[in-house]
Amino acid sequence: GEQVEQLPSILRVQEGSSASINCTYENSASNYFPWYKQEPGENPKLIIDIRSNMERKQTQGLIVLLDKKAKRFSLHITDTQPGDSAMYFCAASALGNYNVLYFGSGTKLTVEP
Amino acid sequence: DPKIIQKPKYLVAVTGSEKILICEQYLGHNAMYWYRQSAKKPLEFMFSYSYQKLMDNQTASSRFQPQSSKKNHLDLQITALKPDDSATYFCASSQSGGQNTLYFGAGTRLSVL
Repeated sequence: GEQVEQLPSILRVQEGSSASINCTYENSASNYFPWYKQEPGENPKLIIDIRSNMERKQTQGLIVLLDKKAKRFSLHITDTQPGDSAMYFCAASALGNYNVLYFGSGTKLTVEP
Repeated sequence: DPKIIQKPKYLVAVTGSEKILICEQYLGHNAMYWYRQSAKKPLEFMFSYSYQKLMDNQTASSRFQPQSSKKNHLDLQITALKPDDSATYFCASSQSGGQNTLYFGAGTRLSVL
């Protein structure tokens, strides 16, 4: 399996500022690291992911960084908006012929106007 | 137009009873999964199936039994229900082969009284 630790559990930021969420994992065989956003009463939805052959990926105001040596990866949301308020989950999966994801405990992000 | 259909959306059950949670996906995926989300353990992996075969089971209790009658179906039978089973159960699917995006259904919210 895999153990994924996620911090912080609660994050409040001002609109327009950046928000950062950090995750660590244990299994050095893990090679795929997606991030999911979940709004209240909804299902989790993929927002960005990174594979182990990359150190950085950016898309539409989201940046993910991966440090394989430290077994650490992070999500950075730039220019946050109230619509970014949600639960965010990091996840990691190990090599194999199926895609089992192990999720962190989640970060509740609130973007205040 | 949801591509992963879970039924029912809400379910109330009595302690000791048995329920079946239905999941069908129309994404053409070969792999299907069950995850459980509760206040204690956000997004906990339960089972994975690939080509209708059980690949991984990380649910300690045999009261939880997945059933795959067709390639795009993965139901979850829960027997001898306990109040601790109260949670939202998410069905998910992906292509087999690892590192493929995991898509979640809308979930079944189960309450055991």
